[in-house]
Amino acid sequence: KAGVTQTPRYLIKTRGQQVTLSCSPISGHRSVSWYQQTPGQGLQFLFEYFSETQRNKGNFPGRFSGRQFSNSRSEMNVSTLELGDSALYLCASSLGSSAYEQYFGPGTRLTVT
Amino acid sequence: GESVGLHLPTLSVQEGDNSIINCAYSNSASDYFIWYKQESGKGPQFIIDIRSNMDKRQGQRVTVLLNKTVKHLSLQIAATQPGDSAVYFCAENNDYKLSFGAGTTVTVRA
Repeated sequence: KAGVTQTPRYLIKTRGQQVTLSCSPISGHRSVSWYQQTPGQGLQFLFEYFSETQRNKGNFPGRFSGRQFSNSRSEMNVSTLELGDSALYLCASSLGSSAYEQYFGPGTRLTVT
Repeated sequence: GESVGLHLPTLSVQEGDNSIINCAYSNSASDYFIWYKQESGKGPQFIIDIRSNMDKRQGQRVTVLLNKTVKHLSLQIAATQPGDSAVYFCAENNDYKLSFGAGTTVTVRA
């Protein structure tokens, strides 16, 4: 079974631009979560989607948004990029309940200049 | 603030020895924990999980212990190998999200 895939793997953007990252979950998984990883803050939860509905959201500004499609694939968008948005963005998928383990993709490395 | 935390940021282990990585949590209602391993340039990899109705769970060369009384869990790696060098995170799984500790970097000495 294929794992979680994320595209693109690397991205360089300029301050003020916006970016869209994509995540395809493991086949059969209906929950997709997004995390930001930085050296200073570690792994921080962004949001989680299940059946196209956001069930939980972390403490990030409104510039960070996401969505999930009917095939469970998910995208996250960051608008008006800031230097501090440079990070590894990780997507994780699970069967759907808090009782199930989450499996991570390789991440998208975003650099904002 | 952080709901889970690791005791030591780094751990150096001789190849073949056992490794013990510790983690403390603050929410006594927490009932599901996961250990992840992250190698350089990769996403976190699921190692093992444990639920609050268990005290111990074993996998291949790994054991997780959960002490609900003191809100502490540990990951034990038997016969540590060079491939075990990585950053290890404990995470609390609740409300459809994971809350991670800061991570312990394990370095295996040959």
